Amino acid sequence: ETGVTQTPRHLVMGMTNKKSLKCEQHLGHNAMYWYKQSAKKPLELMFVYNFKEQTENNSVPSRFSPECPNSSHLFLHLHTLQPEDSALYLCASSQDIGRPEAFFGQGTRLTVV
Amino acid sequence: DAKTTQPPSMDCAEGRAANLPCNHSTISGNEYVYWYRQIHSQGPQYIIHGLKNNETNEMASLIITEDRKSSTLILPHATLRDTAVYYCIVRVTRYDMRFGAGTRLTVKP
Repeated sequence: ETGVTQTPRHLVMGMTNKKSLKCEQHLGHNAMYWYKQSAKKPLELMFVYNFKEQTENNSVPSRFSPECPNSSHLFLHLHTLQPEDSALYLCASSQDIGRPEAFFGQGTRLTVV
Repeated sequence: DAKTTQPPSMDCAEGRAANLPCNHSTISGNEYVYWYRQIHSQGPQYIIHGLKNNETNEMASLIITEDRKSSTLILPHATLRDTAVYYCIVRVTRYDMRFGAGTRLTVKP
């Protein structure tokens, strides 16, 4: 238990569906992150939020839309995804974007059919 | 950010020390060395970090050479639950943790 909770743990969606991934942390952290881990590839940073403000969009396609309503919650809204978007999506948080110790959630295993 | 090189895989006997090496010959003076691990199908877990001095915590020890061009993560008494992929990361940007391929450590009974 890392203090970062992601839901759902598994998700299967069609290419025309709209779904959202949720991340919640009660660690009092100010920075939150979305990462993508495809099969046999390194983790890729997608988005960074610091004090609810997006500070990094790592050239992510617009079919992925993040939302950070407060410092404890982070969402990733998904629409018109492609099969190649199937991956493990990981949320992480840290005290702030300058701190090295990041806590990761268990991830959401997404399959696009 | 400096590039890191790690062996793709290693084995270790249960109860023995696991020594995981990492080369970072282009590391600059203000870059830290971080270690994370990822157990199958879980999110990465922070282990330890250091700048130039050796560091120890309840999980592991980090030994950094004097010239800082390489480091070793030591798990003093490996257990089966330590089987995971271990990532060595050298970082200068504040938040972009660049995870490479890592070392797949298998602890065997």
